[in-house]
Amino acid sequence: TQLLEQSPQFLSIQEGENLTVYCNSSSVFSSLQWYRQEPGEGPVLLVTVVTGGEVKKLKRLTFQFGDARKDSSLHITAAQPGDTGLYLCAGGGSARQLTFGSGTQLTVLP
Amino acid sequence: KAGVTQTPRYLIKTRGQQVTLSCSPISGHRSVSWYQQTPGQGLQFLFEYFSETQRNKGNFPGRFSGRQFSNSRSEMNVSTLELGDSALYLCASSLGGWSSYEQYFGPGTRLTVT
Repeated sequence: TQLLEQSPQFLSIQEGENLTVYCNSSSVFSSLQWYRQEPGEGPVLLVTVVTGGEVKKLKRLTFQFGDARKDSSLHITAAQPGDTGLYLCAGGGSARQLTFGSGTQLTVLP
Repeated sequence: KAGVTQTPRYLIKTRGQQVTLSCSPISGHRSVSWYQQTPGQGLQFLFEYFSETQRNKGNFPGRFSGRQFSNSRSEMNVSTLELGDSALYLCASSLGGWSSYEQYFGPGTRLTVT
């Protein structure tokens, strides 16, 4: 069974601060995705990384896939209240289905 | 292009009843997956349908079933509802390839079992 652990579980910061969310596993994944979910809505895909060591940037968000493809991180620079939401990582692997992490609930206070 | 739609958005059922949820995928997407989301267990995979065939299944009891129609629309059924089935049920569609697993989610159906 492939498991993904996310940390921290909850994060509350002030507008303008930087933050990093981690997604770790003992298993190797062929791809790693990050989603953001807002209340009352389904998760929205932010990015997919597939190569070990890959770094992708989406405006103020930077995503990194670990060299061994077992972990990933999401870094947000100068967080804004609009970044508030539940951030989920999800790995695609041998089971040919997505395994989701438990999520990080981010609150950015104005 | 229209997104994934799910109906109904909210449902209240009594323990022991059954329920059917509906999902219409993005046009051109042939894969539909269903997930259950609860505060305690997070997002858990139920099953995936591709070209009207169940291609993958998660670890849920047989009370949870689904089907997919020739137009890729999908339904999910839960029989003999239990209190623990209260959750947000999410449908996601994708092109169907094995390599990227990118999922496009609908807004979900909030099921409350009393």
